[in-house]
Amino acid sequence: EVQLVESGGGLVQPGRSMKLSCAASGFTFSNYGMAWVRQAPTKGLEWVATISYDGSSTYYRDSVKGRFTISRDNAKSTLYLQMNSLRSEDTATYYCTRAPLPGYNFGWFAYWGQGTLVTVSS
Amino acid sequence: DIQMTQSPSSMSASLGDRVTITCQASQDIGNNLIWFQQKPGKSPRPMIYYATNLANGVPSRFSGSRSGSDYSLTISSLESEDMADYHCLQYKQYPYTFGAGTKLELK
Repeated sequence: EVQLVESGGGLVQPGRSMKLSCAASGFTFSNYGMAWVRQAPTKGLEWVATISYDGSSTYYRDSVKGRFTISRDNAKSTLYLQMNSLRSEDTATYYCTRAPLPGYNFGWFAYWGQGTLVTVSS
Repeated sequence: DIQMTQSPSSMSASLGDRVTITCQASQDIGNNLIWFQQKPGKSPRPMIYYATNLANGVPSRFSGSRSGSDYSLTISSLESEDMADYHCLQYKQYPYTFGAGTKLELK
C-alpha cells in the first residue's frame, strides 16, 4: 500500500525558513516523480513544485521560485521541501503527492499524503 | 498559464439527482484533466483521469466527458456520500492549474 507521510509543519514567522519532509513507503520511491501541492485554509488547491524520479528535473510555480527548493533522497525514500523567506500567503496545508506511473513524465497527482499545516505568522 | 474556469462554485442537490460540474480550459489541454473529490479534513481523491477514465474504486455513477475545451464530471444518481468539494486539474503543462472548486451540498 502506498503511504506518504508528511512532517515538519508548524508555526513560523514571516521571513524565516522551514523544511517539510515526506516519508514514502509501499512502492519503489526512486522510480516515481513526486510533487508538493498546497491548500490555503478554506481555499482551493495549488500546485507548488515537482521533481523527477531521479531528481534531475524540478519545476516550480512562479510565486515560490527562488524561495522554495524541492529535493529527494532516494536512498531514504524521502521527499523534501525547503521553504525560505516565508510569507503569510504561504500559509497552507502542504500535501506530498506521487505520480501515477514510474518514469519521467509526471502525469497527475495519483496518491496523496494527509498533509502538514504550515502557518506563517508573527 | 492555462486557466481552468470551474462552475458552479457551489450547488445543492437532492439524493438521486443527476449532477454535472464543468471546467473550461483557456488553452488546449487535450484530455490531460483529472477530477478530485475532497471531503472535509481529508486529502483529495482522484475520481476521473484523462478526462474520461474512472479511477480505481470509484463508483460507476461517476463519469467524465469532454466537449472541446469543456470538461464535465457527472454523478448520475447522487448519494449522500458524494457530498464533498470537487476540483479539476489540468496537467498538460506547467504550471499545473486547478479549478477553483465546487462545493456540493445536500438540498
